[in-house]
Amino acid sequence: QSALTQPASVSGSPGQSITISCTGTSGDTSSYIYVSWYQQHPGKAPRLMIYDVNKRPSGVSDRFSGSKSGNTASLTISGLQAEDEADYYCSSYTTTWVFGGGTKLTVL
Amino acid sequence: QVTLRESGPALVKPTQTLTLTCTFSGFSLSTSGMCLSWIRQPPGKALEWLARIDWDDEKYYSTSLKTRLSISKDTSKNQVVLTMTNMDPADTATYYCALMDITLIRGLDPWGQGTLVTVSS
Repeated sequence: QSALTQPASVSGSPGQSITISCTGTSGDTSSYIYVSWYQQHPGKAPRLMIYDVNKRPSGVSDRFSGSKSGNTASLTISGLQAEDEADYYCSSYTTTWVFGGGTKLTVL
Repeated sequence: QVTLRESGPALVKPTQTLTLTCTFSGFSLSTSGMCLSWIRQPPGKALEWLARIDWDDEKYYSTSLKTRLSISKDTSKNQVVLTMTNMDPADTATYYCALMDITLIRGLDPWGQGTLVTVSS
């Protein structure tokens, strides 16, 4: 699988919306059918927030949404809250997994 | 409730072989669709997927590490074991195990708490 590129950091104020991008280097967009997103607070294990590009597991706030266009997937968090401050990782699954480099979200 | 817990040595010496165990509850790895992966994260760095074993004993490995990795399961003990040979200081990381039910969610959920392994002489 190809690598996934994320911005190193994004920031936003409480109540605002932010979007984190995740771009694959492969020209084969079918490689990005199963994109998932993970939230990781310092010292904690990652938590699944989005799977299959735009589906939320049970218990995840509907403020989190996912989308994809071509070989770029995106995670949008609306109504930012202080507790959203964390690292976010995208991942693409075929039979194996590849992760992006992670994005640090700062809530100002 | 599904839970996973990683265990293994906190410190290994360079060139040694690391053996990690993921002990789980709340599901059976013999159930169709269940897949368990190992992922690691060096301090301050990104996640890196390592290996996966499926309900039918199919195994997959990271291309860059496959010569050093071996994954196996003991369904009766609800455990999955990962071995990594020829450890190097660059392998210092927190090692996680995580579940995927491929019939439901193409995502890793849940994850264990992780175990920190330091490689140093």
